Amino acid sequence: AAGVIQSPRHLIKEKRETATLKCYPIPRHDTVYWYQQGPGQDPQFLISFYEKMQSDKGSIPDRFSAQQFSDYHSELNMSSLELGDSALYFCASSLSRVGYGYTFGSGTRLTVV
Amino acid sequence: AQKVTQAQTEISVVEKEDVTLDCVYETRDTTYYLFWYKQPPSGELVFLIRRNSFDEQNEISGRYSWNFQKSTSSFNFTITASQVVDSAVYFCALSEALMQGGSEKLVFGKGMKLTVNP
Repeated sequence: AAGVIQSPRHLIKEKRETATLKCYPIPRHDTVYWYQQGPGQDPQFLISFYEKMQSDKGSIPDRFSAQQFSDYHSELNMSSLELGDSALYFCASSLSRVGYGYTFGSGTRLTVV
Repeated sequence: AQKVTQAQTEISVVEKEDVTLDCVYETRDTTYYLFWYKQPPSGELVFLIRRNSFDEQNEISGRYSWNFQKSTSSFNFTITASQVVDSAVYFCALSEALMQGGSEKLVFGKGMKLTVNP
């Protein structure tokens, strides 16, 4: 079965650089979520999209932006990277039915040096 | 506000021991969903179970079992006859049940690191 695809799997950037993370949801899933997991932390919700429109926003820094495209893939753009942005970034997708639950991708490990 | 508490941060057991991971949650919603995820050292989040707030039946899946008690707001997870491959961080999570188009964001507990020694 198709899963949520995230790319790249690993990314190393320098401080103040920009990074773009991509997420390809499971086909026919209409909702995408982004989470950030710092070292030794629990995943924290960043933002979600339903049918290409932002549906909810969590603790996402202003330096970060995201969007969902017409083919339902989503990108998380991070600018002016800081050392504290080093984390695992997960994308998840779902069908927006109550209680359907959702599937996480394998994550992108971002290291800022 | 929703909150998930996993009081244990780390447990170490010897193979074949049973181990229970505690999860206590807070929510003002009457309809909600509870989850358990496993995160092995490789980092991915592996879905284990989803339970809605109206279904208090306990569930067993192989060596895994879950005990949902609404009266105490707990959703505990037991691994029977633990194995080395069970070593991972386990997260309990909670989401509201929203109508279509809403966000079912998850609120995670801090996680519990389980080490199973041979």
